Amino acid sequence: ETGVTQTPRHLVMGMTNKKSLKCEQHLGHNAMYWYKQSAKKPLELMFVYSLEERVENNSVPSRFSPECPNSSHLFLHLHTLQPEDSALYLCASSPYSTDNSPLHFGNGTRLTVT
Amino acid sequence: GEDVEQSLFLSVREGDSSVINCTYTDSSSTYLYWYKQEPGAGLQLLTYIFSNMDMKQDQRLTVLLNKKDKHLSLRIADTQTGDSAIYFCAEKENTGGFKTIFGAGTRLFVKA
Repeated sequence: ETGVTQTPRHLVMGMTNKKSLKCEQHLGHNAMYWYKQSAKKPLELMFVYSLEERVENNSVPSRFSPECPNSSHLFLHLHTLQPEDSALYLCASSPYSTDNSPLHFGNGTRLTVT
Repeated sequence: GEDVEQSLFLSVREGDSSVINCTYTDSSSTYLYWYKQEPGAGLQLLTYIFSNMDMKQDQRLTVLLNKKDKHLSLRIADTQTGDSAIYFCAEKENTGGFKTIFGAGTRLFVKA
């Protein structure tokens, strides 16, 4: 069982909908991340939170809004998305954001925007 | 900026060795990683190597690092059908930053 849990596993939404992706980690880590995975492209880092503070916003459009209420939970709020936003969204955690410890990933949310 | 490149596909026969190659650009990287992604799952750390090492072996896995050429490879001995997955090369910038830079992944097909 992965120490990082993402819900839902699949999500289909229209361009005018508002939805949220949820991530929870049970590893006691202090850093959490959102990545976007599109076919045949490198993983794109979207956001990094360290001790509940956002430390990286990698030029992500404002239609994606992250929230980190505590070090165990991370959300990605979605609104007025575009079809090109369809992708696998992966959450990850690590002990700290600035050391060289590897990332622990959840199984992702497959998002389809219609 | 940093960049990690890998070929997209590799096909091997069961029992053969697989070699997945990767090139990176950040010479200051301290750690280089290999992650594995099975269908319907997230990425899972497979192995990693310190930049002051040339080789690391872990059971069927051998990682080779050529720092001069900024080339990293992953060799899987006696490849099995269960090894079919996408393999990602990644580097972590060594400037106290937050970013792990990933390649696009190499999809390994293992033919029985």
